This record gives sequence, structure tokens and C-alpha cells, in this order.
Amino acid sequence: AQKITQTQPGMFVQEKEAVTLDCTYDTSDPSYGLFWYKQPSSGEMIFLIYQGSYDQQNATEGRYSLNFQKARKSANLVISASQLGDSAMYFCAMRDLSGTYKYIFGTGTRLKVLA
Amino acid sequence: DSGVTQTPKHLITATGQRVTLRCSPRSGDLSVYWYQQSLDQGLQFLIQYYNGEERAKGNILERFSAQQFPDLHSELNLSSLELGDSALYFCASSGGTGAFSYEQYFGPGTRLTVT
Repeated sequence: AQKITQTQPGMFVQEKEAVTLDCTYDTSDPSYGLFWYKQPSSGEMIFLIYQGSYDQQNATEGRYSLNFQKARKSANLVISASQLGDSAMYFCAMRDLSGTYKYIFGTGTRLKVLA
Repeated sequence: DSGVTQTPKHLITATGQRVTLRCSPRSGDLSVYWYQQSLDQGLQFLIQYYNGEERAKGNILERFSAQQFPDLHSELNLSSLELGDSALYFCASSGGTGAFSYEQYFGPGTRLTVT
């Protein structure tokens, strides 16, 4: 069965520092996609970054990068140069691309950026 | 503003009732996704429609149904409501062809409270 695990319920980081949010996954599907979403306290969901299981390069989007280690089944989100506006809940998700196309989400990590 | 609209913003209803949540995707987006976010279940993928056809089904209860209309707006119908259905319901849309387009744009959500 597919599973996403985020083991850090909460994290603190100093402003301007980099932070890594952990995500491990489990799937037997050969083709899948990995996603990160941000949910600020205002409640909206914001798509951040995507990594396909066959992508050779790690995905990057501005200050966000996804550290994809396929053999270890991990898809950690790295935020560089943290800003106060990065304080939010972050969700890792996976989508099966070879059959059901279902999404599953992790339980989230709450990040607090300190001034 | 993501360009995805959801109505109503808030909905309070009683157990056993039926409600309809409405979503208008971003202009030109063919895919619509529905998600449920509750305190005990976390974030759950419910269903995806692409250009009027169901494309992926998640953990959607039999009491729930959805459809996408020719103008691409979508409705999520929740019936025989239970207290546990109280949640934030998100709609998201994405462009691209086929069943899969990785970047999603989320609406602000509908907060459903069942009393």
C-alpha cells in the first residue's frame, strides 16, 4: 500500500537559514509523482514543487528544492534563505501515475521561522 | 488569488441533510480535483474530473458524489451528513492534457460544519 510519512510535526528555523523538511514514501508503483504543498495560517493550499519518479535531476523552484533519493524513498523539501512568510504547514504528497492516479498526503510539518 | 473560486465559503447544516459545494476552475483548466481536510483524517484526495469525465477516485464516501459540467465547473454533493463530515473542502484545478498535470491551483475552500 502507498504511504507518506512526515516525521517532524513541528520545526523552527532562524530567518535567512536553510531548512529541510523530511518526507519518506512507500509505493510499489513504478511511476509516481511527489509533491509539496504549503498551507499558511490563512488556510489556502499552495502548490510548491513536483518531482517525477523518473526525473534524473532534483526539482527546484526558486528557494525550494526537492532532495529526491529514490533508493531511500525520500523526497525532502529544502527551503533556502528562510523568510518569515515561510511559516506555515507543509504537506508532502504522492500520486500514483501508473494506474489509479490517486493522491495520498502526509500529516504535515508545521514550520516556524524565527526573526 | 489562484483564479479558482468556491462557493459558499462557509456552510452550517444539520446531520442527515444534503449540501452542494460548487467550484469554478481557472479559465482554461480542464481538470478539477476535490479534497477534504479534517482534524482527524488530515488531507484526503476525494476525486478528479477531466473535461467532464471522472479520472481518478480517492477516499470518497458513497454518500458523496461529484460531477463536472460542460462549462467545466464542478459540484460536490454530500448527503446524509454526519458530524464527521465537518471539514474544509478544497477544490483545485490544473491544465494540461490527459489525467495528469502536476501543478494545481487551489480555491479558498468551503468550511462545512455539521451540527
